[in-house]
Amino acid sequence: EAGVAQSPRYKIIEKRQSVAFWCNPISGHATLYWYQQILGQGPKLLIQFQNNGVVDDSQLPKDRFSAERLKGVDSTLKIQPAKLEDSAVYLCASSLDMNRAEQYFGPGTRLTVT
Amino acid sequence: AQKITQTQPGMFVQEKEAVTLDCTYDTSDPSYGLFWYKQPSSGEMIFLIYQGSYDQQNATEGRYSLNFQKARKSANLVISASQLGDSAMYFCAMREVNTGFQKLVFGTGTRLLVSP
Repeated sequence: EAGVAQSPRYKIIEKRQSVAFWCNPISGHATLYWYQQILGQGPKLLIQFQNNGVVDDSQLPKDRFSAERLKGVDSTLKIQPAKLEDSAVYLCASSLDMNRAEQYFGPGTRLTVT
Repeated sequence: AQKITQTQPGMFVQEKEAVTLDCTYDTSDPSYGLFWYKQPSSGEMIFLIYQGSYDQQNATEGRYSLNFQKARKSANLVISASQLGDSAMYFCAMREVNTGFQKLVFGTGTRLLVSP
């Protein structure tokens, strides 16, 4: 069974530029999560989808971050414009549904904003 | 208020010895789950073990066991017979069932180094 796929693995941009990350969850997984992990910290949930609907985006900085999961499968996370403090690893995870204990994580995208 | 606290920034253990990684949590939700994840230098979060708040017995998965003390609100991870490949960051996380849309809240992690 293929795991959670993410691309790109690394991205370097200048502040005020825009960037997009892509995630393909495990086949059949209804719930998809985007996390931000700043160096030295644990992951922090940015947004949670159930199929193509948003369940929780309370910690998403909506003035610059946006995410979508149009067909209930792949998802993209966008930052526009980027700030220095957005430098982090962005992790995508999926689970069969919201009630499942285990989330499966992708390898992450390491973003550096200069 | 911090929901998950990991007080050990780093731990050292010799190969083949056991090690305990500490985790305390805070919640008013009677229904919750506690998780441990391993994050090697490659960056991927690897699920290790899960304990539900109503589970009567401590969870075990191979060399991993979770020492769940509900009254103390602690969920320590015990790794037996440490291996060099166990060197990684370890994160404790909690999911509240009735509040917070069941999202995972992570601690700050403990870096484990296993020496030969």
